[in-house]
Amino acid sequence: NAGVTQTPKFQVLKTGQSMTLQCAQDMNHNSMYWYRQDPGMGLRLIYYSASEGTTDKGEVPNGYNVSRLNKREFSLRLESAAPSQTSVYFCASSETVNRGAGDQPQHFGDGTRLSIL
Amino acid sequence: AQKVTQAQTEISVVEKEDVTLDCVYETRDTTYYLFWYKQPPSGELVFLIRRNSFDEQNEISGRYSWNFQKSTSSFNFTITASQVVDSAVYFCALLEYNFNKFYFGSGTKLNVKP
Repeated sequence: NAGVTQTPKFQVLKTGQSMTLQCAQDMNHNSMYWYRQDPGMGLRLIYYSASEGTTDKGEVPNGYNVSRLNKREFSLRLESAAPSQTSVYFCASSETVNRGAGDQPQHFGDGTRLSIL
Repeated sequence: AQKVTQAQTEISVVEKEDVTLDCVYETRDTTYYLFWYKQPPSGELVFLIRRNSFDEQNEISGRYSWNFQKSTSSFNFTITASQVVDSAVYFCALLEYNFNKFYFGSGTKLNVKP
């Protein structure tokens, strides 16, 4: 019953270091997402993957790259971390929404708290 | 322009009061879905409800109720007889069907005092 698993839960980086945040889901969902959450800003979509083999930019993609490794896994990479990327990062997954389908909300991981000094 | 606007940044009420959280959205998509999520102090995001653009029926689930009005592009959330455990940040979200993209509002922090 794991749902969406994110690793690590916490990380501190120095400016300029690189880091990959991992996300895996065991619900056989087609779509996966990466968000960042900053105080007073809600959640902002960084990248998403509507299905295995595809990725698209969200609202705030600059400074990030993603890889949809397979249907289960969707990783987020910071090539050269900057203090502005200090945030809580959430991964989510969902079934691809079809008209008339039943409830298909996004399921979220517990988040990764990333601090960049 | 903001796709989802939650104008109330923070609301404080006393236990047992009713409270309404506002959500206004903007989309040109004819097919879309609206969501409410709860984020308690522990940090996880909990799904509360999903509505599609073809169904304007209001919904009640226990102390929670939702009012969806396409004419005003609003999807408001009311908690009746609030409890301390309702204290959390509540997010409204929009999914535009044709782009499979989610937009979240900035959240409303609800403080329920005993």
